[in-house]
Amino acid sequence: QVQLVQSGSELKKPGASVKVSCKASGYTFTSYAMNWVRQAPGQGLEWMGWINTNTGNPTYAQGFTGRFVFSLDTSVSTAYLQISSLKAEDTAVYYCARHNRVAVNTNWFDPWGQGTLVTVSS
Amino acid sequence: SSELTQDPAVSVALGQTVRITCQGDSLRSYYASWYQQKPGQAPVLVIYGKNNRPSGIPDRFSGSSSGNTASLTITGAQAEDEADYYCNSRDSSGNHPYWVFGGGTKLTVL
Repeated sequence: QVQLVQSGSELKKPGASVKVSCKASGYTFTSYAMNWVRQAPGQGLEWMGWINTNTGNPTYAQGFTGRFVFSLDTSVSTAYLQISSLKAEDTAVYYCARHNRVAVNTNWFDPWGQGTLVTVSS
Repeated sequence: SSELTQDPAVSVALGQTVRITCQGDSLRSYYASWYQQKPGQAPVLVIYGKNNRPSGIPDRFSGSSSGNTASLTITGAQAEDEADYYCNSRDSSGNHPYWVFGGGTKLTVL
């Protein structure tokens, strides 16, 4: 079945870096873009951006430029989110979600990874 | 601030019908997708496109759209439908990001 499996929880100190992985299975990895979504504690979902898994071209939402990097390893059907210079406010659950589209006006995110909790604390 | 607006909270009596709405300019041109999220769990797609349900989603969930408003309707709400619901669609601002979520609606089943 189609699924996304993310790496486990991380506890990091301020200023450190973290790399979250999202391994896809059950479909052709390069046929669908991958989204990244952040959910801070007690807050809603926030779209961080996406990466074209065919070209490797990333697009970052406003507020997620500079310290956030999306990357791929297509040989193992895995997308990555790297966050550098971590701050306490980066504490959140990070989700990957496959992008689906059947028409310009019809898009959706499915499936989702199980989420990775990144905690930034000294 | 989100460009898709949802009511923060809605309640419904068990077995009754509830409509959760999402407003935004982009909804005049793009369909919304809807996600259910229960505490401690990842979001799950419940409706996409004009009114499409993924496999495994009960048929009490339906979607509709009119003008700048998309709606998720639960006909005969069950206790297990208590969750947060988020809409998602294209960002209409012309700037990045391309996609945006509504602020979410907490559904309470009484």
